[in-house]
Amino acid sequence: DADVTQTPRNRITKTGKRIMLECSQTKGHDRMYWYRQDPGLGLRLIYYSFDVKDINKGEISDGYSVSRQAQAKFSLSLESAIPNQTALYFCATSDMGMGNQPQHFGDGTRLSIL
Amino acid sequence: QQQVKQSPQSLIVQKGGISIINCAYENTAFDYFPWYQQFPGKGPALLIAIRPDVSEKKEGRFTISFNKSAKQFSLHIMDSQPGDSATYFCAATYEGYGNKLVFGAGTILRVKS
Repeated sequence: DADVTQTPRNRITKTGKRIMLECSQTKGHDRMYWYRQDPGLGLRLIYYSFDVKDINKGEISDGYSVSRQAQAKFSLSLESAIPNQTALYFCATSDMGMGNQPQHFGDGTRLSIL
Repeated sequence: QQQVKQSPQSLIVQKGGISIINCAYENTAFDYFPWYQQFPGKGPALLIAIRPDVSEKKEGRFTISFNKSAKQFSLHIMDSQPGDSATYFCAATYEGYGNKLVFGAGTILRVKS
């Protein structure tokens, strides 16, 4: 979904480095999410944000932090990267409408930690 | 209790055949069950979704069957095509869970021509 842009698309780095993954959206959605995808485990929620001042931990937040710089921008940081954080990372957005709203995903960042 | 179990892990189907992917859940509070389709190098995209007040929902060649008593739901792809080759994820959530999705592990579908 071109309306949700993730940078970088690929990143290789070393253990112990601090890494930031960025997500920006032009959909005007209030809600933003960070997931990681691992083979055989599906997508697991790391952090989510319902507006600029509302940030919440997801299922697997240890070792990660986030920043919601604006309604359109939500970044994910790995403070000190470790090899088991090697994964595919996705940002998603959804509207704040009544009932369940579909989530719209970016094309992901493939992160490798050596 | 928040888990969604998906099977099979991978599936190979002949062109024109029916692809069936199954999911099961435990949390009876779940009230929205979407399926996402993911092509290589792309993010997941919503394919079709169902609420438990109906037992079936059909959109083109894609059908969700829902069995509330068994806490199971499945995706059927009729007349499967090579272009349907992708990874499929079932998911679940409920009103009041902040639209957070609990995903199944995914099924890699390959349709042979």
